[in-house]
Amino acid sequence: NAGVTQTPKFRVLKTGQSMTLLCAQDMNHEYMYWYRQDPGMGLRLIHYSVGEGTTAKGEVPDGYNVSRLKKQNFLLGLESAAPSQTSVYFCASSYWDLSYEQYFGPGTRLTVT
Amino acid sequence: AQKVTQAQTEISVVEKEDVTLDCVYETRDTTYYLFWYKQPPSGELVFLIRRNSFDEQNEISGRYSWNFQKSTSSFNFTITASQVVDSAVYFCALSEATGNQFYFGTGTSLTVIP
Repeated sequence: NAGVTQTPKFRVLKTGQSMTLLCAQDMNHEYMYWYRQDPGMGLRLIHYSVGEGTTAKGEVPDGYNVSRLKKQNFLLGLESAAPSQTSVYFCASSYWDLSYEQYFGPGTRLTVT
Repeated sequence: AQKVTQAQTEISVVEKEDVTLDCVYETRDTTYYLFWYKQPPSGELVFLIRRNSFDEQNEISGRYSWNFQKSTSSFNFTITASQVVDSAVYFCALSEATGNQFYFGTGTSLTVIP
């Protein structure tokens, strides 16, 4: 039982490049989330998914896209990376909605130069 | 305006001291949920507690206790007899029933000195 896993753990991008972060959970959770964590800012919700094929915007969605084609996977895409997107990205999942406890992945450290 | 305010950025205590981490929240919803998460140096966030807005009972779990007061919009976390393993960043968070959003505070970094 791996819980929530994230791929990759580290990535360096140049401005304008694109990439996709992969999140996988094996707990059969309905909801999945992407956050970014910046120094002094705490974690901020980027997008979340309420189930397979359905996504919703969080607090800071601009510059990111997401997809949930399979229940266990939640992808976060950056189409044209910017230095302001340098951050640690966390994926999480919960059994049901945002009122439930969330289980977090180990994080992905992304640097955009 | 911040939905969740953790005014204490960093706290240092000596082992075995008690420490309280403050959390003040802001919401117009009558139904909401409050959480505390721990982020140890390894980086992965760990759930500690969840409280709904209709349950103001204080909770104790071992050395941990939580004080929820709707009158002051606070949900404070106390660690009794702190240990080095308690060193971590602690986040308070708010989930609002309407609007379907989730907000973390900026976190309090706790260092327990042996």
